[in-house]
Parts: sequence; C-alpha cells; structure tokens
Amino acid sequence: EAGVTQFPSHSVIEKGQTVTLRCDPISGHDNLYWYRRVMGKEIKFLLHFVKESKQDESGMPNNRFLAERTGGTYSTLKVQPAELEDSGVYFCASSQVSPYEQYFGPGTRLTVT
Amino acid sequence: SQELEQSPQSLIVQEGKNLTINCTSSKTLYGLYWYKQKYGEGLIFLMMLQKGGEEKSHEKITAKLDEKKQQSSLHITASQPSHAGIYLCGAVQGAQKLVFGQGTRLTINP
Repeated sequence: EAGVTQFPSHSVIEKGQTVTLRCDPISGHDNLYWYRRVMGKEIKFLLHFVKESKQDESGMPNNRFLAERTGGTYSTLKVQPAELEDSGVYFCASSQVSPYEQYFGPGTRLTVT
Repeated sequence: SQELEQSPQSLIVQEGKNLTINCTSSKTLYGLYWYKQKYGEGLIFLMMLQKGGEEKSHEKITAKLDEKKQQSSLHITASQPSHAGIYLCGAVQGAQKLVFGQGTRLTINP
C-alpha cells in the first residue's frame, strides 16, 4: 500500500513568488492534515480536511495560504505571495479515523529567498 | 492551548546503551503519540498510548503514559545505529489535530 506522498520534495523560490505544494493521501483516507515546521520550532497544525470539506483551518497563518482538496482526493497548499517567514518543512498526513494514527508524508522543504 | 515539552533536546549515546526520552504536557493527556523522523523522511508512527499507566513495546522501544503526571517516557534498550533520528511526541488537541513537542535528536555512536 502506498504511503502519503508529497510533491515537490524541495522548492526554492523568491519572495513574492507563488508556490503550490501537493499531497496525495493514502487511498481511502478521508482525513487529510497539513502541518508545518519552521526552523527551530515544533511542528504546528495548519488545517484539516474531511473529504473535500475544511473541518478546521485554525492553524493557517494568514490569507496568503490557500488549501484545497479537489474531490476529496489529493490536496494542494498554495502560498501567494511567499514571504521569508514561510520557509520551513510542510508535512501532510492522512488518517482513516480522525485524529488517530495519522500517517505522515516525507514533507516539502520550502525555502523562500 | 496545550504545550508539550520534550527532554532532553538532544542525546548522544554509545551503541548498546539504554536511554530515555521524556515528554511532559501542560494539560491532561488524552492520547499520546510517539513518532520518529529521519532526515528527509516523514514522521514514522511508533506507538499510541491512550490510558493512564498504559505501556507499549515495539522491538526494543517501550513507551509509558503517566496521566497523573501528564507525562510520557520513551525508553530504548540496547540502542543501535538504526535508532538514530528525531523522536517527537504528539498529543491530540480538541478532536481533530495533533500538537507536537520540539523533538529530541538522538545520535548513536558506534
């Protein structure tokens, strides 16, 4: 069974540009989560989807971040325009039963210069 | 909001030695997860503890949950190079999400 996959693994962009991160959850997992770890800090929750609906987006930093989950399958996280403080590792996780046994992807390392 | 504090932040041990990592919560723990991360990889689920006094083992890793102390410990017996990585504790907050400690970086010297 394939695990959670994320693309790209690394992204380096300039301040002001746009970046879109993608997450493919484990097949059959209705729950999809985005987390972020910025340098020196703990991993923090961004938002939670159940199928295509946003259940909790309390962790989204600001309106420069937009997450979507088309048809309840894969999800994208767009940052527009990117700022320096957005640099970090963005993790996606999925689970069959929220919030337990969340399986994490390898993360996307975003560097904003 | 709930906060998790891990100690130590980093740990260097000789191969074959035992070690313990602690995770202390600022609030009552209703469920505690341990994950391991290697560089460039995602978080690997190790185990989940839900009841006070619960203890689980997987190979040479044992985790315990002390609800009264709002604390969990992860113990590795006879450490091996494959145990090296970052260990993270996570707790369920509300009904939907996990909050994490800052992680403990474990290095095993041969």
